[in-house]
Amino acid sequence: GAVVSQHPSWVICKSGTSVKIECRSLDFQATTMFWYRQFPKQSLMLMATSNEGSKATYEQGVEKDKFLINHASLTLSTLTVTSAHPEDSSFYICSARPGAETQYFGPGTRLLVL
Amino acid sequence: RKEVEQDPGPFNVPEGATVAFNCTYSNSASQSFFWYRQDCRKEPKLLMSVYSSGNEDGRFTAQLNRASQYISLLIRDSKLSDSATYLCAVTSGYSTLTFGKGTMLLVSP
Repeated sequence: GAVVSQHPSWVICKSGTSVKIECRSLDFQATTMFWYRQFPKQSLMLMATSNEGSKATYEQGVEKDKFLINHASLTLSTLTVTSAHPEDSSFYICSARPGAETQYFGPGTRLLVL
Repeated sequence: RKEVEQDPGPFNVPEGATVAFNCTYSNSASQSFFWYRQDCRKEPKLLMSVYSSGNEDGRFTAQLNRASQYISLLIRDSKLSDSATYLCAVTSGYSTLTFGKGTMLLVSP
């Protein structure tokens, strides 16, 4: 299947700092990428849809000024958690769609904010 | 009512057993249906798509019941390596995936 990478795989940071997570589609182009967040024992929750060359579409309740998304190319989307706080600690997963429906997920990034 | 609901389990079964999971969805306009497998602290991996006519992939069989708005996953001859959380996912509208919380399966020797 299609390969999606994420970097970093984990990050620990102090409260108030910003963290950037990269999502790359390695063997296909993706006009659309998705960012999810998963808290322990919870389902994956879609945060936003990242569209190449245009603004991201955020889900209700997700602060667009806190979670900055940039989709500068057909193979790269970035999520920046600005001024991270302990409640932002979570498992962040991106996905990309090479075709009409099937999504392939990156390996995820574990964020721990102290 | 939640959009996609699953019994969280865990389902504890011995090796070789047959186990079935159900997943219900609330949006009758849902268009596509999937089962994903998620191992602990890993990303979800697509297990199979679910088609109206039902589909089988080895030991795994998926079925869709649009009238009752549920999908099912049947695993035959369970292996230890099948232990994982199984997520159902549904798309509608703009093809965004909505996930259930997942059903945990534990296969024991």
